[in-house]
Amino acid sequence: QVTLKESGPGILQPSQTLSLTCSFSGFSLSTSGICVSWIRQPSGKGLEWLATICWEDSKGYNPSLKNRLTISKDTSNNQAFLKITSVDTADTAIYYCARGTGPFDYWGQGVMVTVSS
Amino acid sequence: DVVMTQTPVSMSVSLGGQVSISCRSSQSLVHNNGNTYLSWYIQKPSQSPQLLIYKVSNRFSGISDRFSGSGSGTDFTLKISRVEPDDLGVYYCGQGTQYPPTFGAGTKLELK
Repeated sequence: QVTLKESGPGILQPSQTLSLTCSFSGFSLSTSGICVSWIRQPSGKGLEWLATICWEDSKGYNPSLKNRLTISKDTSNNQAFLKITSVDTADTAIYYCARGTGPFDYWGQGVMVTVSS
Repeated sequence: DVVMTQTPVSMSVSLGGQVSISCRSSQSLVHNNGNTYLSWYIQKPSQSPQLLIYKVSNRFSGISDRFSGSGSGTDFTLKISRVEPDDLGVYYCGQGTQYPPTFGAGTKLELK
């Protein structure tokens, strides 16, 4: 059974760095063809892909945020991570991790992140 | 970026009825490898999105055959037959052919 679960700080202040963790089970990021992605959704709005990391450590970033994003993984502990630097109120959203690169076949429950002073 | 345009924005349906949702992409979604990476997702209230259809017309594991996908190139359709209460929510199309992956703005399916 594939499951993913996101964790994060909940609330942070503008200009801080957001650190998110995706803990998953039922698959391994060391298996050929497997990738994990981060996608976010501001309240009441649509879905925005942020970044993807794959089994061989290739990485892709949304060009609109590329300079602020860093994705990484810990294969032995079945985790993927996303850091977003210099956050502002526009980064307030639910952040999801999902398996795949499109299609995204399994999604976590999401973690709400609020940026507020 | 590939722009995904969904219509309608919202629609009302009676239980047991049938609906069609359209998704158009600003560029062809046919990949160099011949596959078309167009997917459909449903986001039920207060839940995360769930994959329904991948590569245009393939139902994901456990998805009812009441859901069907069709289309090619830049024009795609999701059809839902014999609508049930659990089908209500927001439907998104998404593409994974061109980098970066993008999604449509969503179609909200409500009860009439």
